[in-house]
Amino acid sequence: DQQVKQNSPSLSVQEGRISILNCDYTNSMFDYFLWYKKYPAEGPTFLISISSIKDKNEDGRFTVFLNKSAKHLSLHIVPSQPGDSAVYFCAANSGGGADGLTFGKGTHLIIQP
Amino acid sequence: GAVVSQHPSWVICKSGTSVKIECRSLDFQATTMFWYRQFPKQSLMLMATSNEGSKATYEQGVEKDKFLINHASLTLSTLTVTSAHPEDSSFYICRPVNPTYEQYFGPGTRLTVT
Repeated sequence: DQQVKQNSPSLSVQEGRISILNCDYTNSMFDYFLWYKKYPAEGPTFLISISSIKDKNEDGRFTVFLNKSAKHLSLHIVPSQPGDSAVYFCAANSGGGADGLTFGKGTHLIIQP
Repeated sequence: GAVVSQHPSWVICKSGTSVKIECRSLDFQATTMFWYRQFPKQSLMLMATSNEGSKATYEQGVEKDKFLINHASLTLSTLTVTSAHPEDSSFYICRPVNPTYEQYFGPGTRLTVT
């Protein structure tokens, strides 16, 4: 059973517009959520995180929203830039960063000029 | 920010040989190290968890005798793929646990077994 789900395998957005990537989870024990960006043949790069005590965290062009009641989080990128084209993974764990992360399958974001 | 290195970044080996992958945390000490692998078009999957000075814990379906993990120090962990086969070809990534909440991965090692 997949505990972290990213239901959109790919997303195409025009440059300058907002990109919204969604993630759902089923394990109510998760208390920390992270977004990673990954280019082919490279390790994931940490983007932004949020703990379950918050519902929003912002860092530059990236904002993560958490809706605990719906077990849903989203990553907003605005404005989208060509360099944002990559695969984005949503990850979750419990007990802070010391536990193994559970990843979604990723969403391939394509920014069109 | 924290820096994690992996060596080699890519390796091609013949079936039946062994390959060692090193992971180093350069800016912090990590008592715990996670090893992941990613097959093409699939998500990252946790393989094993190692704690410095003790035996690694392997996820279900991961052979401990095939994937040898040594976490000899707080800044170095190694993953050895023994008697590699083509189905072991994958992208292997380490993640030393950073005391802060921002978790960093190694750059990954692409293993191709011919």
